[in-house]
Amino acid sequence: DQQVKQNSPSLSVQEGRISILNCDYTNSMFDYFLWYKKYPAEGPTFLISISSIKDKNEDGRFTVFLNKSAKHLSLHIVPSQPGDSAVYFCAASVNSGYSTLTFGKGTMLLVSP
Amino acid sequence: KAGVTQTPRYLIKTRGQQVTLSCSPISGHRSVSWYQQTPGQGLQFLFEYFSETQRNKGNFPGRFSGRQFSNSRSEMNVSTLELGDSALYLCASSSQGGDNEKLFFGSGTQLSVL
Repeated sequence: DQQVKQNSPSLSVQEGRISILNCDYTNSMFDYFLWYKKYPAEGPTFLISISSIKDKNEDGRFTVFLNKSAKHLSLHIVPSQPGDSAVYFCAASVNSGYSTLTFGKGTMLLVSP
Repeated sequence: KAGVTQTPRYLIKTRGQQVTLSCSPISGHRSVSWYQQTPGQGLQFLFEYFSETQRNKGNFPGRFSGRQFSNSRSEMNVSTLELGDSALYLCASSSQGGDNEKLFFGSGTQLSVL
């Protein structure tokens, strides 16, 4: 049973426009959520996170929104740049004392000039 | 500060063989986690070590094992390899491995089982 779902395998956006990547989860025990970005032949790198006590966290061009009642989070990238083209993974963890992450399958974002 | 280092970068094995992958965490990090990435399943948690002890384990068969040394370096071993074990194996480290800590990933070891 997949607890973290990214239903869009890919997304294409033009440079300068907004990219919105979505993520749904089923485990109501998740209380910390992260987005990682992955380029080919590299490991995932941390992008932004949000605690379940917040509904929004912003860092430069990146904003993550959390809707706990809908068990949904989204990552907004504004404005999108060609260098943002990568696979984005949504991840979640339970406050268990361990930083064990449950990942979605990823969304490949392509930003065209 | 050097990042997480994984060796080897690529590995080709045949069914039935065993393999050992190595991971050196960021200096000062004591928690090391291992993840398997496959095209169909995304990243799946294998296990996590802290101070040479396995604290948490994912839903993988016993053919997958690991260990951590006193210098926090970690190895994972897969015995009796199957075709389905072909994947990118990622190691991640964090300071204490506690709640809400960011994980820092290495570039992975790409394992191909023929």
